[in-house]
Amino acid sequence: QSVLTQPPSASGTPGQRVTISCSGSTSNIGSNTVDWYQQLPGAAPKLLIYNNNARPSGVPDRFSGSKSDTSASLAITGLQSDDEADYSCATWDDSLNGRVFGGGTKLTIL
Amino acid sequence: QVQLQESGPGLAKPSETLSLTCSVSGVSINSGSYYWGWIRQPPGKGLEWIESINYSGRTYYNPSLKSRVTTSVDTAKNQFSLNLNSVTAADTAVYFCARSMGYWGAFDIWGQGKMVTVFS
Repeated sequence: QSVLTQPPSASGTPGQRVTISCSGSTSNIGSNTVDWYQQLPGAAPKLLIYNNNARPSGVPDRFSGSKSDTSASLAITGLQSDDEADYSCATWDDSLNGRVFGGGTKLTIL
Repeated sequence: QVQLQESGPGLAKPSETLSLTCSVSGVSINSGSYYWGWIRQPPGKGLEWIESINYSGRTYYNPSLKSRVTTSVDTAKNQFSLNLNSVTAADTAVYFCARSMGYWGAFDIWGQGKMVTVFS
């Protein structure tokens, strides 16, 4: 059971916009910044979003993040076939004094 | 560019100790701003943070694993290591090492991962 809650799956067609949610509590998302990772099959996670909405160099602006209270969201616009991957959110938890991850959302491109 | 590479045995027996090393290239592990962490992923499951350590040995642990984890930094070799004792089948996972900016920060650089299977 992950501390952060994500839907197990999401889907969309090429060109569409999709959002993935991440729900937490006041001790984690409510108090700290959120990051998002993309994990292609058989590969290591790749940092997609940090500090709620910042993109590392090289990440397309089709990917965006937002946070409100104890929830965060990842939005992907202009879906492409190679966006098919697992997406995980993460943040620091002040109560656990440690980093926590969501369970991951598998994005399928129909 | 910065690269991390995990190494160690791919098999461990129940009740024994799992030992992994992460070799860092392209940046000195002495860089005061960074923390160096271990994250694992059981087959078909989500990511689980294990611990993070900085160059001076300041460490943060996942409370659920803290009693079984020891970690260290070797600045001369630019490596850091993980030992997880009393392993069971539940510790079977891909183990990743990664870099973060600060103990609270996002993991921006990851190793490719090392699959470790616990079986008798």
